[in-house]
Amino acid sequence: GENVEQHPSTLSVQEGDSAVIKCTYSDSASNYFPWYKQELGKRPQLIIDIRSNVGEKKDQRIAVTLNKTAKHFSLHITETQPEDSAVYFCAASPRGGSQGNLIFGKGTKLSVKP
Amino acid sequence: EPEVTQTPSHQVTQMGQEVILRCVPISNHLYFYWYRQILGQKVEFLVSFYNNEISEKSEIFDDQFSVERPDGSNFTLKIRSTKLEDSAMYFCASNWDKGFSGANVLTFGAGSRLTVL
Repeated sequence: GENVEQHPSTLSVQEGDSAVIKCTYSDSASNYFPWYKQELGKRPQLIIDIRSNVGEKKDQRIAVTLNKTAKHFSLHITETQPEDSAVYFCAASPRGGSQGNLIFGKGTKLSVKP
Repeated sequence: EPEVTQTPSHQVTQMGQEVILRCVPISNHLYFYWYRQILGQKVEFLVSFYNNEISEKSEIFDDQFSVERPDGSNFTLKIRSTKLEDSAMYFCASNWDKGFSGANVLTFGAGSRLTVL
């Protein structure tokens, strides 16, 4: 089945710096890759997603890139702010699955220091 | 903004007891899901449900687990005989379609924390 690896597990940046989180997946048939932000004790919330027919997508300070050949995708946050501090999870929707059947990475705890 | 609601927010139970977690998905959504998250770990898919039957399930979702849509609004997860390792946050989620359209966002509930003693 699909396996999603995520790095780094923790990331600490200064406010205003950029943060990059990387994920790899194993199933070449996976075609949907969302990113979720989870604040302590709260539910995961979708921040951006990308489909396999697109190489890059941007939404204000957040961007996601996808390299299908290498089977990896990355989250880029620019001009980080303290409120960006949270755990970020990447996910992939495996072969034949619905958009809601997601295999998650282990998460990256992002700390943005003022 | 429509929300997925879950009850209870926290349940403490003794090992071996049955537990039912309840969810009310967003009203026009057709696909329902349960995920779990053991403390400090990743979110794990358990099961998806459509048209009153399970459409997909993971290896975690063994015979101790069952799901049901007992009426037009509730979606429940039952754990028949709880074990210590069932302690986790259980998230319900829903979306309206199986496909990959831009508006088909998977929306999570706030979660039900299950503690098995």
